[in-house]
Amino acid sequence: SYVLTQPPSVAVAPGQTARITCVGNNIGDKDVHWYQQKPGQAPVLVVYEDSARPSGIPERFSGSNSENTATLTIARVEAGDEADYYCQVRENTGDHSWVFGGGTKLTAL
Amino acid sequence: EVQLLQSGGGLVQPGGSLRLSCLTSGFTFTVYGMGWVRQAPGKGLECVSVISSNVDIASYADSVKGRFTISRDKSKNTVFLQMDSLRPEDTAIYYCAKLKNVKSFDYWGQGTLVTVSS
Repeated sequence: SYVLTQPPSVAVAPGQTARITCVGNNIGDKDVHWYQQKPGQAPVLVVYEDSARPSGIPERFSGSNSENTATLTIARVEAGDEADYYCQVRENTGDHSWVFGGGTKLTAL
Repeated sequence: EVQLLQSGGGLVQPGGSLRLSCLTSGFTFTVYGMGWVRQAPGKGLECVSVISSNVDIASYADSVKGRFTISRDKSKNTVFLQMDSLRPEDTAIYYCAKLKNVKSFDYWGQGTLVTVSS
């Protein structure tokens, strides 16, 4: 089955830029989606189809995807951005193909 | 406003059964697929089942295939997850989620805890 690999943690100072990676074989050929999950809450879609933002998501959140790495970029990190972030793809093979990465905990130092 | 309101869940013994429900509103239920995603304590997200929008085609993760059944009642805008032969490793928070264009999940329920323990 398709595997998505994320770093367990990323830490940045408030006001700086955070970059969270998601590595998968030829992930650049797939649409990548990103979710934010704060403690005790349900996940929230923050980026879909590599770089699109749902309504209500700040422009500080952006995404890119190329070759074997997709990246979620959070500009001007705020304390309120502290959360777990998950990447997700729908792979093209198999009848059940929604795959999540292991998640990355973002800490604002 | 899209809303997904979950019910069901709780404590069950190994080998037992539970049924989760997810009542939806705020969108045309028949147009979108729905899924169930779980999260074991301290762990990441796992999509366990999805049902399509039109002909109710269902798919399951290998970890639950043959034990879980997803269904939908279009007259009640509700999706269900019937969980049989439960195992301790099924212990998790279960979220229902609405599919956006088949590929991603754009709205989520509040989650419900399922604990499988003797």
